[in-house]
Amino acid sequence: DGGITQSPKYLFRKEGQNVTLSCEQNLNHDAMYWYRQDPGQGLRLIYYSQIVNDFQKGDIAEGYSVSREKKESFPLTVTSAQKNPTAFYLCASSIGSTVSRAFFGQGTRLTVV
Amino acid sequence: GQNIDQPTEMTATEGAIVQINCTYQTSGFNGLFWYQQHAGEAPTFLSYNVLDGLEEKGRFSSFLSRSKGYSYLLLKELQMKDSASYLCAVRAPPNSGNTPLVFGKGTRLSVIA
Repeated sequence: DGGITQSPKYLFRKEGQNVTLSCEQNLNHDAMYWYRQDPGQGLRLIYYSQIVNDFQKGDIAEGYSVSREKKESFPLTVTSAQKNPTAFYLCASSIGSTVSRAFFGQGTRLTVV
Repeated sequence: GQNIDQPTEMTATEGAIVQINCTYQTSGFNGLFWYQQHAGEAPTFLSYNVLDGLEEKGRFSSFLSRSKGYSYLLLKELQMKDSASYLCAVRAPPNSGNTPLVFGKGTRLSVIA
């Protein structure tokens, strides 16, 4: 089945450690996105990529980094510079960045202790 | 800039009809999406409007007025399983300098017996 997979579903890390969230899609989509969702809040865009080897900052990129070395993969690293990393992280993809709808992964709930 | 407004919470009775409004301000527009999100899960696509008018899909309908920057999602014959958050999202044209897909904070709908 085609889809978008995030792993792990739950992740715990100690404060000050970097952590990488995985996102893989086999939908042959060009565009991929990372969103952060806090309780009672909407989705805020962290980074997005419209094509392999290219990505742009979203509205809240500080403290995060990404790479897009393969079309299928768009990992997100939450660095120690991110002041409030505990959140629900959602990865999404779409055919392009124009009119197509976004498909979402199941999300990763990151808790920093 | 981009801004999307939705009511924070709504309550409706099982079997009734509910309308969830969304207003947006954006310098470019390439379509409006509605997503449903149950607590702790990924958003799932409900509808897409790019032209003015009503799009109907089963119990769900979505309306768009581009001149007014306004959309609504209409849910008929409400069921308990419709209790969820409903997210309005606007897509901006590529290379417009705007966030490509920006979400509102969502409307939490509670369906009561």
